[in-house]
Amino acid sequence: NAGVTQTPKFQVLKTGQSMTLQCAQDMNHNSMYWYRQDPGMGLRLIYYSASEGTTDKGEVPNGYNVSRLNKREFSLRLESAAPSQTSVYFCASSERGPKNIQYFGAGTRLSVL
Amino acid sequence: DQQVKQNSPSLSVQEGRISILNCDYTNSMFDYFLWYKKYPAEGPTFLISISSIKDKNEDGRFTVFLNKSAKHLSLHIVPSQPGDSAVYFCAASDGANNLFFGTGTRLTVIP
Repeated sequence: NAGVTQTPKFQVLKTGQSMTLQCAQDMNHNSMYWYRQDPGMGLRLIYYSASEGTTDKGEVPNGYNVSRLNKREFSLRLESAAPSQTSVYFCASSERGPKNIQYFGAGTRLSVL
Repeated sequence: DQQVKQNSPSLSVQEGRISILNCDYTNSMFDYFLWYKKYPAEGPTFLISISSIKDKNEDGRFTVFLNKSAKHLSLHIVPSQPGDSAVYFCAASDGANNLFFGTGTRLTVIP
């Protein structure tokens, strides 16, 4: 079972470059999420999509855009990368419900020089 | 402001002993609490959860305790094993689409 798949696993960008992080889930979940993890900060929500066709901002959305391409795929785009966006990015998915158990991908390690 | 706090960045425990990881939260509207485990170069994986209407949930070697009046929960691992060495994140659900994560505690189990 693949679960949540993220590509790429690693990426190095120069300041000002753009890129898209890809995420796909095969669990037929309605909700998908993008987080970033920084040292000492835990996981912070960037954007989420409660269902196909909807997206909402999380705690730290500035500098990012998202697209819920279909039920399986949720992409995160950096239009003009900045060194402050150096981080590990995680995609997650879940069924709707109060417990909200989220299943995570392995992460994308992004460095912006 | 951080709504979920894990004040101990690290914890070391001897193999076979109990590991106790702590978590505090500020929002009394949280209705579910979850623990995640994370190995290096992997994503967090769900470990155990507890509803706000309960005070204890047990799953094998893992038990989570919730003290609502103190807004405090803890994860007990008994007995601790070297394979338990990882970063543990506490998270709280607001019943909508949001999980609020703590900053994590790195557990090292010494053989």
